[in-house]
Amino acid sequence: EAGVAQSPRYKIIEKRQSVAFWCNPISGHATLYWYQQILGQGPKLLIQFQNNGVVDDSQLPKDRFSAERLKGVDSTLKIQPAKLEDSAVYLCASSFTGLREGQFFGPGTRLTVL
Amino acid sequence: KNQVEQSPQSLIILEGKNCTLQCNYTVSPFSNLRWYKQDTGRGPVSLTIMTFSENTKSNGRYTATLDADTKQSSLHITASQLSDSASYICVVNAGNTGKLIFGQGTTLQVKP
Repeated sequence: EAGVAQSPRYKIIEKRQSVAFWCNPISGHATLYWYQQILGQGPKLLIQFQNNGVVDDSQLPKDRFSAERLKGVDSTLKIQPAKLEDSAVYLCASSFTGLREGQFFGPGTRLTVL
Repeated sequence: KNQVEQSPQSLIILEGKNCTLQCNYTVSPFSNLRWYKQDTGRGPVSLTIMTFSENTKSNGRYTATLDADTKQSSLHITASQLSDSASYICVVNAGNTGKLIFGQGTTLQVKP
């Protein structure tokens, strides 16, 4: 079974630039999550999708972050404009409906903002 | 406030030794607790998942325990190997809301 795919794996940009990350969840997983993981900390949920609808985006800095999952499969996370404090690993995860079945993480995208 | 706290923050042990990582939580209501292993540069991978009624669960050399009364969990690693070097994250599912509360992780380094 293929895992959660993310791209790019690494990205370096200057502050005030824009960046986008892509995630392809495990086939059949209705729920998709984007997390931000700052070095030395646990992941922080940014947004959760159920199919193509947003379930929770309470911790998403909406003035600069946006995410979409138009067809209920792939998802993109965008930062515009980026700040130095956005330097982190951005993890995508997916699960079947609900969380009892477990959540599977992608390899993450390491973003460095200079 | 729902919180998950892990200790120690970091740990260095010699190859072949055992170690125990701790997780205390104040999440309510409780649905389940997971331990994840996160290798450097990779996403977290689930090691164990335990519900309220489960006291212990093993996955190879990894054994997790859960005391739902004291709201504590531990992850015991037996006969450590160099490949065990990673961050170990405790995650609690806050039942009704379906929210996952992440601990900050324990960084384990196994030295030869």
